[in-house]
Amino acid sequence: AAGVIQSPRHLIKEKRETATLKCYPIPRHDTVYWYQQGPGQDPQFLISFYEKMQSDKGSIPDRFSAQQFSDYHSELNMSSLELGDSALYFCASSGKGQGSYEQYFGPGTRLTVT
Amino acid sequence: AQSVAQPEDQVNVAEGNPLTVKCTYSVSGNPYLFWYVQYPNRGLQFLLKYITGDNLVKGSYGFEAEFNKSQTSFHLKKPSALVSDSALYFCAVLNRDDKIIFGKGTRLHILP
Repeated sequence: AAGVIQSPRHLIKEKRETATLKCYPIPRHDTVYWYQQGPGQDPQFLISFYEKMQSDKGSIPDRFSAQQFSDYHSELNMSSLELGDSALYFCASSGKGQGSYEQYFGPGTRLTVT
Repeated sequence: AQSVAQPEDQVNVAEGNPLTVKCTYSVSGNPYLFWYVQYPNRGLQFLLKYITGDNLVKGSYGFEAEFNKSQTSFHLKKPSALVSDSALYFCAVLNRDDKIIFGKGTRLHILP
């Protein structure tokens, strides 16, 4: 079965640079969620989109932005990167519109800021 | 506020023995509860969920979880542990805004 796809899998950036992470949800899933997981920590919710509209916002810095496109894929844009942004970034998708509440996670993008 | 607590940072179990990973929750209204597993350098994999119905929920890889409303618990169990079950396990609750709130995680070590 098709899973959530994230690209790139690994990304190395320098401070103050920008990064764009991409997420392709499971086919027919209408909702995308972004999470950040720091070393040894539990995943923290950043932002979500339902039917291309932002549905909820968590602890996402103002330096970050995200959007969901017409094909339901999503991109997380990160600017003015800081050392503390180094983390594993997960995308998850669900079929919220079909009443399916479980979220399926992608493999993650490991961002290292040097 | 809705939350989950995993009281154990680490659980060690001998291979072949039953395992339990504990989780308690705090929610208003009916809880939607989940268990996820994370292998090293991998994403989170959905194991099982409780939405409504039978208190004993069966999931992937032989895992099951028991929903106990009076004790506000949702412990993860498996009758016979495998070394390959060694991983990080997260209990989670779905809040009113449909975002998942995770517990801190429990590292499960299965000893050969």
